[in-house]
Amino acid sequence: DAGVIQSPRHEVTEMGQEVTLRCKPISGHNSLFWYRQTMMRGLELLIYFNNNVPIDDSGMPEDRFSAKMPNASFSTLKIQPSEPRDSAVYFCASRDSSGNTIYFGEGSWLTVV
Amino acid sequence: QKEVEQNSGPLSVPEGAIASLNCTYSDRGSQSFFWYRQYSGKSPELIMFIYSNGDKEDGRFTAQLNKASQYVSLLIRDSQPSDSATYLCAVNNDMRFGAGTRLTVKP
Repeated sequence: DAGVIQSPRHEVTEMGQEVTLRCKPISGHNSLFWYRQTMMRGLELLIYFNNNVPIDDSGMPEDRFSAKMPNASFSTLKIQPSEPRDSAVYFCASRDSSGNTIYFGEGSWLTVV
Repeated sequence: QKEVEQNSGPLSVPEGAIASLNCTYSDRGSQSFFWYRQYSGKSPELIMFIYSNGDKEDGRFTAQLNKASQYVSLLIRDSQPSDSATYLCAVNNDMRFGAGTRLTVKP
């Protein structure tokens, strides 16, 4: 069974450009999480969805960030416009209804120059 | 804001020793607790979860939960150099993580 799939794995972009990160959760999982990880701030929860509905987006840093989950098998995290301080590893994770385990994707490594 | 606190370390132990990692949380209503391990450059992976007060053992790992004192700990017995990683504590359904404790096991 395929795990959580994220794309792109690595992206370097210029300040001001739009960045779109994509995630395909594990089939059958009904919760999806977006995290951001930096050395300074650790692993921060940005937003999570349950059954495609955003439950808590209090971690989204500002209006430049937006996330969507149009169906059970796809989610996006968009940054527009991007800034150098957005440079981080962005993880997507999914969880099934038992709630015991969340499984992480391999992460998208974003560098904004 | 619900808080999950960990000592960021680094924690260094000799090979074969017991490593003790601690996590405290602010939400007294928390019900589920998770320990994840993250190797450098990799994504976090689950080690254990615990729901009930007391100890839960899995191989060399033991999770300890004390809801009255609002802490959960992870003990690693017979530590190995391959255990060197960052250990992350997460609490409850919304899966917020602590900052993580970096563990180094020296041969």
